[in-house]
Amino acid sequence: KNQVEQSPQSLIILEGKNCTLQCNYTVSPFSNLRWYKQDTGRGPVSLTIMTFSENTKSNGRYTATLDADTKQSSLHITASQLSDSASYICVVSTTDSWGKFQFGAGTQVVVTP
Amino acid sequence: DGGITQSPKYLFRKEGQNVTLSCEQNLNHDAMYWYRQDPGQGLRLIYYSQIVNDFQKGDIAEGYSVSREKKESFPLTVTSAQKNPTAFYLCASIRPEVAEAFFGQGTRLTVV
Repeated sequence: KNQVEQSPQSLIILEGKNCTLQCNYTVSPFSNLRWYKQDTGRGPVSLTIMTFSENTKSNGRYTATLDADTKQSSLHITASQLSDSASYICVVSTTDSWGKFQFGAGTQVVVTP
Repeated sequence: DGGITQSPKYLFRKEGQNVTLSCEQNLNHDAMYWYRQDPGQGLRLIYYSQIVNDFQKGDIAEGYSVSREKKESFPLTVTSAQKNPTAFYLCASIRPEVAEAFFGQGTRLTVV
């Protein structure tokens, strides 16, 4: 059973609009959570990292939030651009297994003109 | 220009053949990983290596083999024992102090 669940599976938004992606996890003990952006046919690239004590972190138009109590994270994209079309993957690491990550299946975002 | 280089980008394999995917890094990272990505699923760990001359099986190691003779290189062989090899394969090296994985551009393997 996947310990990292992402929703929605896919979404289509108009250029310039905002959207929010969700990530729920059951990974324990929790170390940190990263959001990655994966363009089609390319490797994922890290956007943000959140540790247990952090609630919000921004990277340009991307803002990630973390609620470690409810084990939920979100990624908010502001004023979307065509280049935001990609898969966004939530990745959780645990202090239990060194260097081993649990990956969500990703949310496919399509930004249309 | 540091990073992870995977080759080839596209690979076609006939049934019964072994093929080897290349992964090279110049980030001076000790740990390297191989993942498989299928549509609608999260990345799944095939093999990982934390140090030269040592590697461990991941969650889906059957039908795959690896070697780690040099710090910079971690090739993956997809053997004929892998019954469903068509997938996108990603190699990564890990910077453990910040728990960040740096990925290559991937190799798309197709069985013909």
